[in-house]
Amino acid sequence: RKEVEQDPGPFNVPEGATVAFNCTYSNSASQSFFWYRQDCRKEPKLLMSVYSSGNEDGRFTAQLNRASQYISLLIRDSKLSDSATYLCVVNFDGGSQGNLIFGKGTKLSVKP
Amino acid sequence: ETGVTQTPRHLVMGMTNKKSLKCEQHLGHNAMYWYKQSAKKPLELMFVYNFKEQTENNSVPSRFSPECPNSSHLFLHLHTLQPEDSALYLCASSQGRGSGRAGEQFFGPGTRLTVL
Repeated sequence: RKEVEQDPGPFNVPEGATVAFNCTYSNSASQSFFWYRQDCRKEPKLLMSVYSSGNEDGRFTAQLNRASQYISLLIRDSKLSDSATYLCVVNFDGGSQGNLIFGKGTKLSVKP
Repeated sequence: ETGVTQTPRHLVMGMTNKKSLKCEQHLGHNAMYWYKQSAKKPLELMFVYNFKEQTENNSVPSRFSPECPNSSHLFLHLHTLQPEDSALYLCASSQGRGSGRAGEQFFGPGTRLTVL
């Protein structure tokens, strides 16, 4: 069974905090991984792709541990605008067909 | 027009009605997708089209019928739906199969469907 598991949260953090989300996936053959962000009552938007061991984009760092089938997302210096639900996404078919499996998401609330 | 558009944004229908959802992408992509998002559940992939050919039907009931006339347009035809089909239906597009970028998907705003 293809599954992606995330801590649902919510994570309530003050501005400027560092927060990390974890995600585990069930299929060891998975090749590509993504973090999407979904604001309340909006569509998901791609935040980061993770094709190798990790990726960094400004305040956001994603890391992949294939041996443990584990992906993380680290957000440094949190902003109010980071408040959203973060979706861990896995492509179980090796990345060729876009057949994505989504986690339920982790909700982040950044407070002033 | 930008990105991925969907119409209608909201739809209320009875169980005996027939309706269609429309999606259009302006990104030059070759793959399009239908997803269902229900409360308390993860986003569920329903159908995948690559270069107008259906490559995935994720065990979706036949009361949902997709149509992809070209790489820019995708429809979801609905008939004799059940109340449990009420959900947000999202369309997405990406570069096509084999590009290595099929997981980088762009979503439309969705159609909020209520079945009475």
